[in-house]
Amino acid sequence: GQSLEQPSEVTAVEGAIVQINCTYQTSGFYGLSWYQQHDGGAPTFLSYNALDGLEETGRFSSFLSRSDSYGYLLLQELQMKDSASYFCAVNLYNQGGKLIFGQGTELSVKP
Amino acid sequence: DAGVTQSPTHLIKTRGQHVTLRCSPISGHKSVSWYQQVLGQGPQFIFQYYEKEERGRGNFPDRFSARQFPNYSSELNVNALLLGDSALYLCASSSAIGQETQYFGPGTRLLVL
Repeated sequence: GQSLEQPSEVTAVEGAIVQINCTYQTSGFYGLSWYQQHDGGAPTFLSYNALDGLEETGRFSSFLSRSDSYGYLLLQELQMKDSASYFCAVNLYNQGGKLIFGQGTELSVKP
Repeated sequence: DAGVTQSPTHLIKTRGQHVTLRCSPISGHKSVSWYQQVLGQGPQFIFQYYEKEERGRGNFPDRFSARQFPNYSSELNVNALLLGDSALYLCASSSAIGQETQYFGPGTRLLVL
């Protein structure tokens, strides 16, 4: 089967840098996505890695290593509004690209 | 541009009842997917539709069904509701299927009493 593992909780202070890891066991997939969700609202797309390496989007960066079955989301210059749940997800080959999500990491940013 | 819209936002039903949830995709998007999210967990895939045809089905009982209309909007139907069906139901749209990014709506929060 397919599974993605993330830490359940991470705490950091304003202005700091935090890394949320995602390890996976899955068959072929198109890429690794990251979504942010505030208090059960709409998951918001943050970043996507189709290829190995680093993708940078403003304060957010995401990394993928297919050989290590591993990826991470890096958040820099943390702000209070970054407190939310973060999900990694893969979209699978030969299944219409359906998304399989991790259980989510709750990030708490403290002043 | 309007994002993905869903209705209703909240719904309370009792066990055994039936519910219909609605979703309108982003303009120009032809694929709609449905996900169920239970509190504290990641979304779980229920269905995917593309060009009005079912392209994927998750591990959900036959009480769950869906369809997509010519304007690409979609309905999710759940029959014979159980307490365990209480969840946030999310709709996501994408321009195609496969590696296309999926964009989520705000969800319908269903409570079954």
